Amino acid sequence: DAMVIQNPRYQVTQFGKPVTLSCSQTLNHNVMYWYQQKSSQAPKLLFHYYDKDFNNEADTPDNFQSRRPNTSFCFLDIRSPGLGDAAMYLCATSRDDSYNEQFFGPGTRLTVL
Amino acid sequence: AQTVTQSQPEMSVQEAETVTLSCTYDTSENNYYLFWYKQPPSRQMILVIRQEAYKQQNATENRFSVNFQKAAKSFSLKISDSQLGDTAMYFCAFIWSYGKLTFGQGTILTVHP
Repeated sequence: DAMVIQNPRYQVTQFGKPVTLSCSQTLNHNVMYWYQQKSSQAPKLLFHYYDKDFNNEADTPDNFQSRRPNTSFCFLDIRSPGLGDAAMYLCATSRDDSYNEQFFGPGTRLTVL
Repeated sequence: AQTVTQSQPEMSVQEAETVTLSCTYDTSENNYYLFWYKQPPSRQMILVIRQEAYKQQNATENRFSVNFQKAAKSFSLKISDSQLGDTAMYFCAFIWSYGKLTFGQGTILTVHP
């Protein structure tokens, strides 16, 4: 089945230690998104790629960066995680960046010690 | 600014009964789509139903239907014949441009046997 896969499902890191979260998709979608979801809150868009074009949300901290080496993979890098960065990180894809449905991965729960 | 408001943080319903989740939104756009997403505990977010703003007819998907009132900027979700598997966080979401999905705060729905 075509799907959005996130690895790992659970990630523990130490305060200030860089961490990378991974997302892959078999849907061959042009757009990939990264959301941050804190406990019992709505997902908040961090940034998205339309193909290779990177689009950062204005309020996304500089501590968060992303890479998309090819259509299938997208990475979220947190350069110096703080305690406030502990959250669920959701990857999503869509065929294009108009009004199409977004397909979500299961998420990676990040714990910062 | 585009905003989505879900005024019911939590709802509960007995199995086989009907429940309605409320959602209002604010936008100056004419062309947009509305979605209800379901996020079961520890599982990925999936699309329940979508509504195009230019369509007057309310969308339905099996036991799920919406009441879309464009003038009132209201978009409620009705779940008929509730099942235990419907227990989840439900997010109302709005997309108006370039794939920017804006979520409401979510409603936790619990279906009791």
